[in-house]
Amino acid sequence: QKEVEQNSGPLSVPEGAIASLNCTYSDRGSQSFFWYRQYSGKSPELIMSIYSNGDKEDGRFTAQLNKASQYVSLLIRDSQPSDSATYLCAVNVGGGADGLTFGKGTHLIIQP
Amino acid sequence: GAVVSQHPSWVICKSGTSVKIECRSLDFQATTMFWYRQFPKQSLMLMATSNEGSKATYEQGVEKDKFLINHASLTLSTLTVTSAHPEDSSFYICSARQGSGKNIQYFGAGTRLSVL
Repeated sequence: QKEVEQNSGPLSVPEGAIASLNCTYSDRGSQSFFWYRQYSGKSPELIMSIYSNGDKEDGRFTAQLNKASQYVSLLIRDSQPSDSATYLCAVNVGGGADGLTFGKGTHLIIQP
Repeated sequence: GAVVSQHPSWVICKSGTSVKIECRSLDFQATTMFWYRQFPKQSLMLMATSNEGSKATYEQGVEKDKFLINHASLTLSTLTVTSAHPEDSSFYICSARQGSGKNIQYFGAGTRLSVL
């Protein structure tokens, strides 16, 4: 059974601070890892993808992957009120043909 | 990013009727598309994998005769909810995979189905 776990929150962060979102996964064979942002009533929007251990930075976002610990995180620097959303961690086990297994998401609130 | 179009965005139907949802990749060819379902305050759950020119692969617990999937071209997959019932009311979202290997999926806007 493939599982992806996230703290549902809400996680409240003051504007301008760093928001840290965490995710663990159960299948050690997982190969691809993604962070999606989902606003209420909308479909997910891809924020970051990461495939190898370490950090990957894109603008204000940094994804971190530790396969030994089966842990992936997302850091959002200089948080803005528009970052308030639910952040979904998604994992792909196979090489490309498999669908994604999603966590339940973390509800992030950036306080002005 | 790549654009995936999904429609209708909202549909209300009577119990027992069938509803068809279309998913199109607008600026790329997608040999593989995926259909997900999301109930309120839950995460996305994969229903099936749609492969162009072949039968869809359904996840455990998803009835293939109820959720008919057709992937007739490299840019279009359809999901038909047959004989819909109120418990089928949900947010249905498709995605299309661009490229190979990295499995980056781009999502359509979703279809909110309400069965009365």
